[in-house]
Amino acid sequence: EVQLVQSGAEVKKPGESLKISCKGSGYSFTSYWIGWVRQMPGKGLEWMGIIYPGDSDTRYSPSFQGQVTISADKSISTAYLQWSSLKASDTAMYYCARTTSELPLGGFDYWGQGTLVTVSS
Amino acid sequence: QSALTQPRSVSGSPGQSVTISCTGTSSDVGGYNYVSWYQQHPGKAPKLMIYDVSKRPSGVPDRFSGSKSGNTASLTISGLQAEDEADYYCCSYAGSYTLYVFGTGTKVTVL
Repeated sequence: EVQLVQSGAEVKKPGESLKISCKGSGYSFTSYWIGWVRQMPGKGLEWMGIIYPGDSDTRYSPSFQGQVTISADKSISTAYLQWSSLKASDTAMYYCARTTSELPLGGFDYWGQGTLVTVSS
Repeated sequence: QSALTQPRSVSGSPGQSVTISCTGTSSDVGGYNYVSWYQQHPGKAPKLMIYDVSKRPSGVPDRFSGSKSGNTASLTISGLQAEDEADYYCCSYAGSYTLYVFGTGTKVTVL
């Protein structure tokens, strides 16, 4: 069974750093892209970026380029999303999701359960 | 890259059909056959309902169907059921620079 399991909820202060994770299982982790999606409270889905764990090829949405860093450790089948200096506006639910194919073209067929990040002083 | 445009809400009675539109440009929806649709119930992760414009993943009821004409994609739910009440989002491939863009989201209400 394909599963993406994300790390738990985080409460941070502005200016702090954070790295959240997404562990894949039940499939070849290096053969599909993993994307990250933001959902701010009461708002819609926003695509942030995507990584191919096989060679760490990473692409970012222009809206998130320079704001976050996406990485992966294929030895432990885990993708990461990290911030170096959080802002209150980073408060949101963050989802990881797997692409439907080996190319970053189609949709996302399996999703993690989400990680809630709260940034507050 | 602007979000794809969806109606804020649509509604229908049980058994009826509803259609959700998703309007983009020739740089996304109109340029590629890579539109996907997601269902999201409150407090839950999104679920893939349609991909590559009209393909249904295993386990998704055939009441859900997708299509595209020009720069507008559509999701139709036939034989509306109470459990179909949720938010729905479209998503399109938008080229090698932007890659993906999501729609604004539509709330489906079953009357």
